[in-house]
Amino acid sequence: DTAVSQTPKYLVTQMGNDKSIKCEQNLGHDTMYWYKQDSKKFLKIMFSYNNKELIINETVPNRFSPKSPDKAHLNLHINSLELGDSAVYFCASSASNYGYTFGSGTRLTVV
Amino acid sequence: DQQVKQNSPSLSVQEGRISILNCDYTNSMFDYFLWYKKYPAEGPTFLISISSIKDKNEDGRFTVFLNKSAKHLSLHIVPSQPGDSAVYFCAASGSGGGADGLTFGKGTHLIIQP
Repeated sequence: DTAVSQTPKYLVTQMGNDKSIKCEQNLGHDTMYWYKQDSKKFLKIMFSYNNKELIINETVPNRFSPKSPDKAHLNLHINSLELGDSAVYFCASSASNYGYTFGSGTRLTVV
Repeated sequence: DQQVKQNSPSLSVQEGRISILNCDYTNSMFDYFLWYKKYPAEGPTFLISISSIKDKNEDGRFTVFLNKSAKHLSLHIVPSQPGDSAVYFCAASGSGGGADGLTFGKGTHLIIQP
């Protein structure tokens, strides 16, 4: 019973392609997030969704778009992939300021 | 500009001894601090947290200390065990609530030697 699950775990794709990463949480949390861990190992927030509304949108390219069909899902769509998009992407959810639960990550490699 | 800094990329400690991981922050609006542990190919898992109204929080072998005036916190693990070998991330959040997300440090790779 994985609390926050994201698929796929690994994704290798060519430059210019469009891809999606899916995330689902079964914790009943109100807010879901996408974080990016780059080659320098920094974990940086990209987006958060609270009750199907985008709350914050850090300075990420508009090629990245989060989509939340319902409170339990927050998918990440990436258009026209570039080499610099290679990273590990983590989905997370929280019920408050204090309880963040992360998924196991999706390692995206753009070749 | 890094708002949360972990200046030690790695730390090696002998099994049974105390591990001390340090974290500094610059944003005085942060009011909640968390430590996460991460194994390779897994997501970060929550370890322990502390509110800015406290200066210490203890949970079993793990204790977090907060020095607000110095904008410094530390995680103590005692006694250190082989399973503690992992990357430890310090994180902070502000009074904006959960929607603001967390600001992470770069992590410290803790290696427990037998």
